[in-house]
Amino acid sequence: DQQVKQNSPSLSVQEGRISILNCDYTNSMFDYFLWYKKYPAEGPTFLISISSIKDKNEDGRFTVFLNKSAKHLSLHIVPSQPGDSAVYFCAASGGNYQLIWGAGTKLIIKP
Amino acid sequence: DGGITQSPKYLFRKEGQNVTLSCEQNLNHDAMYWYRQDPGQGLRLIYYSQIVNDFQKGDIAEGYSVSREKKESFPLTVTSAQKNPTAFYLCASSRGQSLVKLFFGSGTQLSVL
Repeated sequence: DQQVKQNSPSLSVQEGRISILNCDYTNSMFDYFLWYKKYPAEGPTFLISISSIKDKNEDGRFTVFLNKSAKHLSLHIVPSQPGDSAVYFCAASGGNYQLIWGAGTKLIIKP
Repeated sequence: DGGITQSPKYLFRKEGQNVTLSCEQNLNHDAMYWYRQDPGQGLRLIYYSQIVNDFQKGDIAEGYSVSREKKESFPLTVTSAQKNPTAFYLCASSRGQSLVKLFFGSGTQLSVL
């Protein structure tokens, strides 16, 4: 039972364009959502987060949007840069120590 | 530089053997975690520890054991009871109960011979 789903295993985007990574969840008790970025042979690093009381959070080129009614969040990267090529994980928290993770989306930025 | 160190990077296990994965942090974080990643799946929590000498099971603790004798160290033992141990193992830490920023090590790839 996957409570957090990232339905696109990979995404290819032209450098300079917008990258949109999607994440769906099923548990309405989730109240905090996070995006992590992972390069090969490294551990994930925290990128951006959003609380369920907000619908948007922005940090530089990265913006996360939350649509609670649709149980959907998305990560926008504008403009996309070659260094953004990585695997992006969506994770959700229901207030305890447990983070529920999506399977990840591999983003490839083409020059 | 502060961070989390996992060793070894690659580990091979024979049938019936117990193996121990090392995780050390010098971030002075209270909480530490072990996750398992399988291809095409998200990270799954094996064990976590909020303070020294205390730890709790995560979703997939069967076949694993941990100890937390020191704040800096949280080793994971993959026992012979774990029938499908081949996976990428990630150790993480966080300050207090913060889930916002988990700091991860670079992982250990465990394979069965």
